[in-house]
Amino acid sequence: NAGVTQTPKFQVLKTGQSMTLQCAQDMNHNSMYWYRQDPGMGLRLIYYSASEGTTDKGEVPNGYNVSRLNKREFSLRLESAAPSQTSVYFCASTEGGYGYTFGSGTRLTVV
Amino acid sequence: AQTVTQSQPEMSVQEAETVTLSCTYDTSESDYYLFWYKQPPSRQMILVIRQEAYKQQNATENRFSVNFQKAAKSFSLKISDSQLGDAAMYFCAYRSSVLFMYSGGGADGLTFGKGTHLIIQP
Repeated sequence: NAGVTQTPKFQVLKTGQSMTLQCAQDMNHNSMYWYRQDPGMGLRLIYYSASEGTTDKGEVPNGYNVSRLNKREFSLRLESAAPSQTSVYFCASTEGGYGYTFGSGTRLTVV
Repeated sequence: AQTVTQSQPEMSVQEAETVTLSCTYDTSESDYYLFWYKQPPSRQMILVIRQEAYKQQNATENRFSVNFQKAAKSFSLKISDSQLGDAAMYFCAYRSSVLFMYSGGGADGLTFGKGTHLIIQP
């Protein structure tokens, strides 16, 4: 089915460990995004990629890096995980900004 | 920067009744898009309704409609004939049209409110 696929769906990390969240879309969208969702905070933009080869910081980029590997894939990396990065992470994509498609989310716990 | 405010952390309504969720936003732009998203316990983000700021007519999708008051910067969601399946978190979101147009797409993405938890009483 067409859409945005995120892996993994769940992950537990120890403080200081690193990991990469993967996101892929098969709708040929140019723009892709990473959000985090915390209780009572809504979704906040971490990084986005307007097109292949470009990335920009969003509202809460500290502690994260991203890679737009190609048009389909946009990964989010935590180099040294901290408990403050415990959250649900969503990847999204759009073409033209008229409609956004979200992945099903990754629940990350840092202990 | 734009901000989106949802002043009702939680709302409760009887099944088959009508409920209105509030959303206000702050912007200096004249052209933009507004969205309501539903997030059930499955975590999936589902688009409920979308409104273009240049359109005066309020958007409607079946039992869902909005009351868009541009001058007041208000964008409320009305759910008629509430059903048990409507129980979810609802997020209001804003997207700049100007930034998107000149950036080639993608700049800033969506700005979300903090959400309203809707409870449907059977």
